[in-house]
Amino acid sequence: EVQLVESGGGLVQPGRSLRLSCAASGLTFGDYTMGWFRQAPGKGLEWVGFIRSKSYGGTTEYAASVRGRFDISRDDSKSIAYLQMNSLKSDDTAVYYCARVTPYSDYWGQGTLVTVSS
Amino acid sequence: DIVMTQSPDSLAVSLGERATINCKSSQSVLYSSNNQNYLAWYQQKPGQSPKLLIYGASTRKSGVPDRFSGGGSGTDFTLTISSLQAEDVAVYHCQQYQSFPYTFGQGTKLEIK
Repeated sequence: EVQLVESGGGLVQPGRSLRLSCAASGLTFGDYTMGWFRQAPGKGLEWVGFIRSKSYGGTTEYAASVRGRFDISRDDSKSIAYLQMNSLKSDDTAVYYCARVTPYSDYWGQGTLVTVSS
Repeated sequence: DIVMTQSPDSLAVSLGERATINCKSSQSVLYSSNNQNYLAWYQQKPGQSPKLLIYGASTRKSGVPDRFSGGGSGTDFTLTISSLQAEDVAVYHCQQYQSFPYTFGQGTKLEIK
């Protein structure tokens, strides 16, 4: 059974950084593109970005709202995907989900809440 | 960017009745190289993460009850629940994955009448 578990969320001040992790099990992690999504309180879903598998170059794609501030990486030896978030703004407050991307998102984690506030 | 618009925003249907949710994209999400519509539907129950129901506009994910069906092509899509069950109360989201940025509809809240 595929399981994705996010961690690393919390309260952070505007302008600071935070790194989220997504630990995967039940799949050959290195074979898959892994994505990040977010959902602001009471709002809809927003795609943040993803990282392709090494077979497809390990390249990344980002939403315009986070490009240049967020960075997605992966450690296939540990089956973990990361979302490094820099220069955080109040608009980044959301539950962040990781998901397997095939290219639809067939498995999702439970999410981790990031609150950006002074 | 492809804008996804769902209708209605909320819907109340009696148990056992049919529920239909619409999703319209501002551009076609048909991927010409394989003639597939890159459109997915997700179900998100209160306090839970989204779950994939349908991909390719009409293919149910394994394990999804057959009362859920998807249809449409190009820019107009529907999600139909043929006989509403109590456990289907949720917000339903459509998503296009044909081009970047991947975009979602605003969500449709489905309740029991």
